[in-house]
Amino acid sequence: EIVLTQSPGTLSLSPGERATLSCRASQSVSSSYLAWYQQKPGQAPRLLIYGASSRATGIPERFSGSGSGTDFTLTISRLEPEDFEVYYCQQYGSSPYTFGQGTNLEIK
Amino acid sequence: QITLKESGPTLVKPTQTLTLTCTLSGFSLSTSAVGVGWIRQPPGKALEWLAFIYWNDDKRYSPSLKSRLTITTKDASKNQVVLKMTNMDPVDTATYFCAHSPLTFGDYWDFWGQGILVTVST
Repeated sequence: EIVLTQSPGTLSLSPGERATLSCRASQSVSSSYLAWYQQKPGQAPRLLIYGASSRATGIPERFSGSGSGTDFTLTISRLEPEDFEVYYCQQYGSSPYTFGQGTNLEIK
Repeated sequence: QITLKESGPTLVKPTQTLTLTCTLSGFSLSTSAVGVGWIRQPPGKALEWLAFIYWNDDKRYSPSLKSRLTITTKDASKNQVVLKMTNMDPVDTATYFCAHSPLTFGDYWDFWGQGILVTVST
């Protein structure tokens, strides 16, 4: 099973700043099958990025994904107030599909 | 417009079997090369993948829960996906989500149901 470790656990930033979220895998993720989701309290996750770097439909350009192998990054170029939520990475390159423990992006 | 909706009991007793239904709208497992997965989230905790069913009836399960899980489609129309989990325990208390996978670049999930909170308690 591939274990995904997200860092930091909590990230405190201000609107307008740049956010960099990390996701490290215990083994190489096949075909860069790595997704990022945003989750608001009481809601289902929302797909942001798939294939490590492809933005999902309707996702603003300020969200970008990068990485391959075992190291992946989600970058939010300029934080908007609505971006301060919890973010999860997920690998779907090999079963069982696994999620990271999440990064809580909070307003500083 | 793709939507999914989970339904089933919100309270089950320990040792009982949980049966959840995911009703699909805007797509069907009989007409598209797509998949549907079940994912759960205990209160305040991270997401956990449970099971996946493909349009061709291929199925995958989380190894840690495989002996307790069954995923099927409800009828020939394949507009509903059913998840059964046996021998429920209080640690299985969670919000259960079903989600659509387009299978265009692997099994990620682009549309999710709202989720259903299932509590396991006497």
